[in-house]
Amino acid sequence: KAGVTQTPRYLIKTRGQQVTLSCSPISGHRSVSWYQQTPGQGLQFLFEYFSETQRNKGNFPGRFSGRQFSNSRSEMNVSTLELGDSALYLCASSLGGVLEAFFGQGTRLTVV
Amino acid sequence: AQSVAQPEDQVNVAEGNPLTVKCTYSVSGNPYLFWYVQYPNRGLQFLLKYITGDNLVKGSYGFEAEFNKSQTSFHLKKPSALVSDSALYFCAVRHMNRDDKIIFGKGTRLHILP
Repeated sequence: KAGVTQTPRYLIKTRGQQVTLSCSPISGHRSVSWYQQTPGQGLQFLFEYFSETQRNKGNFPGRFSGRQFSNSRSEMNVSTLELGDSALYLCASSLGGVLEAFFGQGTRLTVV
Repeated sequence: AQSVAQPEDQVNVAEGNPLTVKCTYSVSGNPYLFWYVQYPNRGLQFLLKYITGDNLVKGSYGFEAEFNKSQTSFHLKKPSALVSDSALYFCAVRHMNRDDKIIFGKGTRLHILP
């Protein structure tokens, strides 16, 4: 059974650009969550999608957005990139409820 | 609002000694509690969870955790540490009976000294 797949693994972007990250969940998982990981802040929750609907949202500016497709694949978009957006972005999928989330290996975004 | 605290940024333990990584939580109602581990340049791997029932939960790689409702704690333990246990450990909480997001602590870096 394939795990959570995130693409690309590494990205370098310039300030002001935008970026789209992709996440393919484990087959059958309808919940996809996104997290930003930085050394100083730990894991910060961005948003969660369930059956194409945003179910929860963290405290990030509107530059951060996401969506989920009918096949449960999810994308995250960051517009007008800032240096502080440099981080490891992690995607996790689950069946929801009591069940644990499974994480992808992440996308390392560097903004220069 | 739910929250998780891991009071120690780093824990150092000699190989073969018991280890404890601390976690306390705050949530209204009953929680789902999780521990995850992250190795360098990798995503998070699930270790164990508490849903209900026995307060002592056993998980992967010989780890266990004890749920203490009165102290709102969920400390991760292992009787005998291995050098390969060195990693970043995250505690997480999700509110029971609601489809709420999973909130993670800031993580504790565990160093096992040979």
